[in-house]
Amino acid sequence: LAKTTQPISMDSYEGQEVNITCSHNNIATNDYITWYQQFPSQGPRFIIQGYKTKVTNEVASLFIPADRKSSTLSLPRVSLSDTAVYYCLVGDTNAGKSTFGDGTTLTVKP
Amino acid sequence: DTGVSQDPRHKITKRGQNVTFRCDPISEHNRLYWYRQTLGQGPEFLTYFQNEAQLEKSRLLSDRFSAERPKGSFSTLEIQRTEQGDSAMYLCASSLAGGRSYEQYFGPGTRLTVT
Repeated sequence: LAKTTQPISMDSYEGQEVNITCSHNNIATNDYITWYQQFPSQGPRFIIQGYKTKVTNEVASLFIPADRKSSTLSLPRVSLSDTAVYYCLVGDTNAGKSTFGDGTTLTVKP
Repeated sequence: DTGVSQDPRHKITKRGQNVTFRCDPISEHNRLYWYRQTLGQGPEFLTYFQNEAQLEKSRLLSDRFSAERPKGSFSTLEIQRTEQGDSAMYLCASSLAGGRSYEQYFGPGTRLTVT
């Protein structure tokens, strides 16, 4: 499984766009990039997944450059309720084992 | 509510006792995972099942830990002779293998405290 590197923490203010970047230099051809969100005392929750270019859903966008060695999770107009830990995972979708790093703690301030 | 349930939600036990946790995945999901999470760390993979077969087990999992999924539905995780270092949140997740999604649905977790 490809190793990922994310910032330990980020601060933002309500209404701003937040971009969290994940580095994964050793990504393999079959690997997808997946992001999870976790609130305290809850299990992680799937946010978005992509393979290349850009993916957008109702909560976030995922930008993946052509070399796929990094990815950026973009959260538009964050609110206080977006304060959480965000994890970037890289792996084959058929693989069983998932490796979560320590994630990025996002704190949204009023 | 993701559809994955875990029981109990909290467990306090004394060192040396055995504990068992249960996970009920989303019914159509054929994969089931167990993770352990300590404060400030990301979830740590323990093991996973596809149907009733245990396909991978972390080397970090000592012989005191055992997991089963007897009929390919619910799963149990047992910890024998608990130690204080076993105190953590134990998370269960399920997914559908074979698709293009890496999406796992997590339960609320069982918080274990070993005194």
